[in-house]
Amino acid sequence: AQSVTQLGSHVSVSEGALVLLRCNYSSSVPPYLFWYVQYPNQGLQLLLKYTTGATLVKGINGFEAEFKKSETSFHLTKPSAHMSDAAEYFCAVSSNDYKLSFGAGTTVTVRA
Amino acid sequence: DSGVTQTPKHLITATGQRVTLRCSPRSGDLSVYWYQQSLDQGLQFLIQYYNGEERAKGNILERFSAQQFPDLHSELNLSSLELGDSALYFCASSVGDGTSTDTQYFGPGTRLTVL
Repeated sequence: AQSVTQLGSHVSVSEGALVLLRCNYSSSVPPYLFWYVQYPNQGLQLLLKYTTGATLVKGINGFEAEFKKSETSFHLTKPSAHMSDAAEYFCAVSSNDYKLSFGAGTTVTVRA
Repeated sequence: DSGVTQTPKHLITATGQRVTLRCSPRSGDLSVYWYQQSLDQGLQFLIQYYNGEERAKGNILERFSAQQFPDLHSELNLSSLELGDSALYFCASSVGDGTSTDTQYFGPGTRLTVL
């Protein structure tokens, strides 16, 4: 079975500052990892995913994440926050059982 | 817009009632997934269908059932509703059978309120 832990349910950043959202996973097999974003009153949108190969994954809207097997982590970063980044972010893991297991989510607020 | 549609957008009903939520996947996608999002449980996988057949089951209650029709749309039926069933219900779809690298695209959700 796999699971995801997102550290910090709320993150507040200033506009232009670094965004760092932490995700740690557990999986008995090589994991496939995803970050989704949910804007208010909307569904989830895929930001990026890691399957195999390069451990630094670039996604949409300037986000990227790095898979670190030794640390069982898949932290999401964006160098410079924009007001439009205010949303809830979910890390998810999938292995061989056809389903995504989501973390509890991290709500990002961006201060002007 | 992900291309996944869900109806209705909002649903208000009473305890003990039965409701049906509908989902149309993206054109060409064969898999449909249902998720429940609530404040206390977070995002929970309920069930997956692939090309009309049940493929995977998660934390779905016996009072809940789903099916996928020949035109690939899916319905989630919730019966004997309880207050605790109030939640956002998401449908997602993917092109393949749900193997781990398959990207799931989410619909906008149906917000169910049970009074």
